[in-house]
Amino acid sequence: AQSVSQHNHHVILSEAASLELGCNYSYGGTVNLFWYVQYPGQHLQLLLKYFSGDPLVKGIKGFEAEFIKSKFSFNLRKPSVQWSDTAEYFCAVNAPRRYMDTGRRALTFGSGTRLQVQP
Amino acid sequence: IAGITQAPTSQILAAGRRMTLRCTQDMRHNAMYWYRQDLGLGLRLIHYSNTAGTTGKGEVPDGYSVSRANTDDFPLTLASAVPSQTSVYFCASSEQGAIDEQFFGPGTRLTVL
Repeated sequence: AQSVSQHNHHVILSEAASLELGCNYSYGGTVNLFWYVQYPGQHLQLLLKYFSGDPLVKGIKGFEAEFIKSKFSFNLRKPSVQWSDTAEYFCAVNAPRRYMDTGRRALTFGSGTRLQVQP
Repeated sequence: IAGITQAPTSQILAAGRRMTLRCTQDMRHNAMYWYRQDLGLGLRLIHYSNTAGTTGKGEVPDGYSVSRANTDDFPLTLASAVPSQTSVYFCASSEQGAIDEQFFGPGTRLTVL
């Protein structure tokens, strides 16, 4: 079954530290990839997305992610985190799913990574 | 308003009761979705609708039903709530279906006792 794995469940960093959150997916075909962020008490917002082209994608707030097809990965990075980056981060993959109508795709989310940035 | 609104913000419900969670979008998006968010499980798709008048089952549809009478509204109904349906429920929409970015509502926190 298609799945999305986020290996880091809880990450604690100091301000100015570099961040890399892992995301791996299991679907072998063409995929669209997303990172969403959920700040405390708020709804999910899109950080960045990859559909095609340059595998290094830049998003909002200094975040970027690299799609490595051979590794089925889409890791999220930020060179220097801030206290305001404290949030939960979700990787999501858009791929065909067995419960959808034929040819239709659905977003599958990873379990999330809680990032805590200490001042 | 701009975006997606959900109501209620939170609700405590006795088991066995019927409950409808409301979702309205003003972006004229074709596709709408209902997810539940549970700790350690991320978001799981309950039901979806690719366009007004059509609905489909997602990954965890049991115990839930939806309707899509028009473009803007996509209510989620729990016919007879059970404690395992305690969760945070998010409604989302996208313009062209699942190939597109999804926009999320603020969520409804539901507790079933």
